[in-house]
Amino acid sequence: AQTVTQSQPEMSVQEAETVTLSCTYDTSESDYYLFWYKQPPSRQMILVIRQEAYKQQNATENRFSVNFQKAAKSFSLKISDSQLGDAAMYFCAYRHGANSKLTFGKGITLSVRP
Amino acid sequence: GAGVSQSPRYKVTKRGQDVALRCDPISGHVSLYWYRQALGQGPEFLTYFNYEAQQDKSGLPNDRFSAERPEGSISTLTIQRTEQRDSAMYRCASSFTGTGAQETQYFGPGTRLLVL
Repeated sequence: AQTVTQSQPEMSVQEAETVTLSCTYDTSESDYYLFWYKQPPSRQMILVIRQEAYKQQNATENRFSVNFQKAAKSFSLKISDSQLGDAAMYFCAYRHGANSKLTFGKGITLSVRP
Repeated sequence: GAGVSQSPRYKVTKRGQDVALRCDPISGHVSLYWYRQALGQGPEFLTYFNYEAQQDKSGLPNDRFSAERPEGSISTLTIQRTEQRDSAMYRCASSFTGTGAQETQYFGPGTRLLVL
């Protein structure tokens, strides 16, 4: 079974600084996708960024980028120029290519200091 | 356009009662998913549908939980004889296709269930 591990329960970053959130996963599959979701205090689930395993290039969405290390099964999220609105819980998630369900990590709570 | 909607947003019930949670996916989305999220945890998969067909129900914890999507649109998750351990946020998500490379699951606001 696939597992997703987020070992840091909490992190804090100064506004305008950069922070990296860690995620590792375990799978024997070669065809899969990885995601970062944001859950603000409103408890909505918002997709932040997606990475296809077959792509070597790291995904980027504005201030958000990933460091995808396939051999190490690591998928970290980097947030640049942190803003107060980035404060939320962040979940790393995995999906096998032939399967639809998402497997989530336990999440990490990010706080942003003004 | 409208996103995924869920009702009710909050449900308080007594142990032993049955509850029905509703999900209205984004119009045109083929796939619909149910997840359960305990406080401070990530969502856990329960079941999913393509159109009206239930493709995977491996995450349903026991036979008190069931789901249907009879016309391929709105779905209902039913919990019979509720227990306190069923208290959680129940989330619905939908996607345009099931397994496409560009698939993104869009989540609804969730139903917070509290069993007393």
